Amino acid sequence: RKEVEQDPGPFNVPEGATVAFNCTYSNSASQSFFWYRQDCRKEPKLLMSVYSSGNEDGRFTAQLNRASQYISLLIRDSKLSDSATYLCVVGQAGTALIFGKGTTLSVSS
Amino acid sequence: DTAVSQTPKYLVTQMGNDKSIKCEQNLGHDTMYWYKQDSKKFLKIMFSYNNKELIINETVPNRFSPKSPDKAHLNLHINSLELGDSAVYFCASSRRTSGTTDTQYFGPGTRLTVL
Repeated sequence: RKEVEQDPGPFNVPEGATVAFNCTYSNSASQSFFWYRQDCRKEPKLLMSVYSSGNEDGRFTAQLNRASQYISLLIRDSKLSDSATYLCVVGQAGTALIFGKGTTLSVSS
Repeated sequence: DTAVSQTPKYLVTQMGNDKSIKCEQNLGHDTMYWYKQDSKKFLKIMFSYNNKELIINETVPNRFSPKSPDKAHLNLHINSLELGDSAVYFCASSRRTSGTTDTQYFGPGTRLTVL
């Protein structure tokens, strides 16, 4: 079983749509959770950390369910500029972050 | 102001050659990393250094040798390059060791093509 698994994608949505990405992780000892964004031929950049209580940043909402080992990212009112690959990332103290393969989002007008 | 920089950005070379990639961060971070992103876009940790000390060394061929002359620099030397080494190599840094809530900041990547 892969350590971090994500929806395969790609997701093709019109502008204004709401889209949700899911991610599961296998190591119950994981302590830190993130969503990173990677544009084509660019480096990954932190989109947001994910906290147990859930957190929101503008149009983006992240949720964590430790019991199910499940993380989600919801994007409301999609913009063309949201087109990118979204990477689910999980970490344990003192070890490397584990990146999922990413889910590609394409927002069209 | 570039936070994490890598050189070169592109590297095209023949099989069997030896090459180096350099990385520098001006964020004052203690921890630096090398990642490999292959053609399937899977981003995988290779090495991590904390204050010039190797702390993570994943299963990487020993043709790959990282060197950290100081905590702001982490270079990657690759001996006897093989076709399968073709990938994008990303350097990253964070304030503290991986796995904490500290953000990792990535360099722009070095696209290595082995012919």
